[in-house]
Amino acid sequence: QQQVKQSPQSLIVQKGGISIINCAYENTAFDYFPWYQQFPGKGPALLIAIRPDVSEKKEGRFTISFNKSAKQFSLHIMDSQPGDSATYFCAATDKLIFGTGTRLQVFP
Amino acid sequence: NAGVTQTPKFQVLKTGQSMTLQCAQDMNHNSMYWYRQDPGMGLRLIYYSASEGTTDKGEVPNGYNVSRLNKREFSLRLESAAPSQTSVYFCASSIGQGSSGANVLTFGAGSRLTVL
Repeated sequence: QQQVKQSPQSLIVQKGGISIINCAYENTAFDYFPWYQQFPGKGPALLIAIRPDVSEKKEGRFTISFNKSAKQFSLHIMDSQPGDSATYFCAATDKLIFGTGTRLQVFP
Repeated sequence: NAGVTQTPKFQVLKTGQSMTLQCAQDMNHNSMYWYRQDPGMGLRLIYYSASEGTTDKGEVPNGYNVSRLNKREFSLRLESAAPSQTSVYFCASSIGQGSSGANVLTFGAGSRLTVL
């Protein structure tokens, strides 16, 4: 069963635009929500993470917004750059159940 | 520092053949994991080892076996490969487990396996 649902599957954004990727989870016991970034031919790497005791976390151009009551969290990439083109995975909880991934392409 | 090293990077097998994917980490991490990545399916956990001497099944363990050889090494074995096991396999490690920074995963570069 898929416990973390991620959308969209792919996203095309113009340089300077905002990229938004959404995830929803089912298990209210989940208490750790990271986002991983994967470039072609590489393994995923941690980008940013949040715990449910805060509603937002920002690191540079990357922000996680967390809605505990809706069991949803999202990644916002401000001022998207071509170098942000990658696949992004949300994940949840200690055993890191991953979403299905979003392929982001940022065009100049 | 190498981080997580996987071998081989590429492998082609015939149906029914066996092989072992090797993984080693040099970060003194306690926990190690094997994932497979398939288009549209994301990363799915095959097996993990929370600490040296322990292994547990993940989401998709059928057709695989693992060995935690020591703290550094965690191998994944396919006893009788099937075309459905064609995938990219990632090994990862973390300091520990639990809902904290201890379970930040460091991934290897991946092993691309094709079963004909």
